[in-house]
Amino acid sequence: EAEVAQSPRYKITEKSQAVAFWCDPISGHATLYWYRQILGQGPELLVQFQDESVVDDSQLPKDRFSAERLKGVDSTLKIQPAELGDSAMYLCASSSRETVLSGANVLTFGAGSRLTVL
Amino acid sequence: DQQVKQNSPSLSVQEGRISILNCDYTNSMFDYFLWYKKYPAEGPTFLISISSIKDKNEDGRFTVFLNKSAKHLSLHIVPSQPGDSAVYFCAHGRYEKLTFGTGTRLTIIP
Repeated sequence: EAEVAQSPRYKITEKSQAVAFWCDPISGHATLYWYRQILGQGPELLVQFQDESVVDDSQLPKDRFSAERLKGVDSTLKIQPAELGDSAMYLCASSSRETVLSGANVLTFGAGSRLTVL
Repeated sequence: DQQVKQNSPSLSVQEGRISILNCDYTNSMFDYFLWYKKYPAEGPTFLISISSIKDKNEDGRFTVFLNKSAKHLSLHIVPSQPGDSAVYFCAHGRYEKLTFGTGTRLTIIP
C-alpha cells in the first residue's frame, strides 16, 4: 500500500538551532499538507501545496518557518531558529484530485516527525 | 470560521460493548466530516467519512451519524475491540481543507 514518507522520525535540538523535515507524498498526489500536532491537541494546518504552489499558509509562522515543494513532488519544512514552543509532531499528508472530486477529501498521513526543542 | 469540538478527552469502554465518540461543529453547508484514528508515534489513519447531505454512513464495525439540527456528529464502534484503543479525531472538510477536533482517547478494557 502506498505511503507518505517522512524523515527524520525523531529530532532533538536546542533552541535557536535550525531543523528541517522532509516529506515524500504518495505518487501522483497533487495536494500536500504540513500539519503540526501539539500533545493533547488536534492537528493544525501549517501549509497546503497544490503541485508546487502554496494554496494556504495563513497559519505558518513565517518569521521562522518556511516550506517548499520545488518540483511539485517532495517537500521540506524548515524552522529557524527553533523555539521551545515548537516541540510537537509535524505531520505531512497528501491527497489526490480524485478524492476531492468524490466529495470527501481523504488525507493520507505519514508517520510524522517528532521534534523536541531543549 | 469552522470549528469542531470534541468535549470528552477520554472514554473507557468494556471490550465487546459499543463505543460512542462525539463531536460538535458550527457549520456544515456543502461540507463533509471524517473520523481519523491515531496510535502513539504514528500518523492519523482515515476511518470513515460522511457527507453533510447524509444522516448515516456505515463501514463494518464503524458507523457515523450526523444530526444536522443539533450540529452533532458521532462515531459508533460495535463491538469494541482492544485494537480500537487509540485517539480519535473528528474533522470537518470544506473543499480541500480539513479542520480537526482536539481528539478523544478511547481505551478498551479487556
